Amino acid sequence: DIQMTQSPSSLSASVGDRLTITCRASQDISKFVNWYQHKPGSAPRLLIYDASNLETGVPSRFSGSGSGTDFTFTITGLQPEDIATYYCQQFDHLPITFGQGTRLDIK
Amino acid sequence: LQLHESGPGRVKPSETLTLTCTVSGFSMSSSDYYWAWIRHFPGKGLEWLGSITHTWNSHDNPSLRSRFTISVDPSKSQFSMRLNSVTAADTAVYYCVRDRSNGWGPRAFDVWGQGTKVIVSS
Repeated sequence: DIQMTQSPSSLSASVGDRLTITCRASQDISKFVNWYQHKPGSAPRLLIYDASNLETGVPSRFSGSGSGTDFTFTITGLQPEDIATYYCQQFDHLPITFGQGTRLDIK
Repeated sequence: LQLHESGPGRVKPSETLTLTCTVSGFSMSSSDYYWAWIRHFPGKGLEWLGSITHTWNSHDNPSLRSRFTISVDPSKSQFSMRLNSVTAADTAVYYCVRDRSNGWGPRAFDVWGQGTKVIVSS
């Protein structure tokens, strides 16, 4: 299985900050990575697909980049409603696997 | 488009967990989509269980060691999962999900049900 290693595992930031989460794959997966937001009590939400494409309806402060084994997810201008856990997910090889998650809270 | 899970909230160890997902507002008979089950462990991460198309092309996670079966009934706008020989380690929130494959294999999970919490306990 392809392992997806996210860092950091938790993050505290202030409203308006720019922050980055990284995800490293255990082997080359081209651009076959998606990013999700998961708020407590709600279902996960697809934010970024194919490494860098913004899902319809998702605010433009969210962005993604990377290819090969290293990927980044960025929030530019953190908002209070962005408190959540964020996951990367690869789909280059089955089984589909997720990173362990990055829990984000507001300072 | 809405997905809604139904099934027992509690299952005893060694028994079989069966969940059904009802899809509304969208036809399941599209070649661009799979239909998937994903679970979330409390305080931990997400695990993909398996995906299936309306023509019964399916994939599942080998980590489940053949305990998992996925099925589909497009005429009823439903798909289902069965997980045999459950243990406490299967306690999780189970989501049914639309998998936007765009004609490829399982790919991106773009619409989710609300999730159903399943506790495995005697």
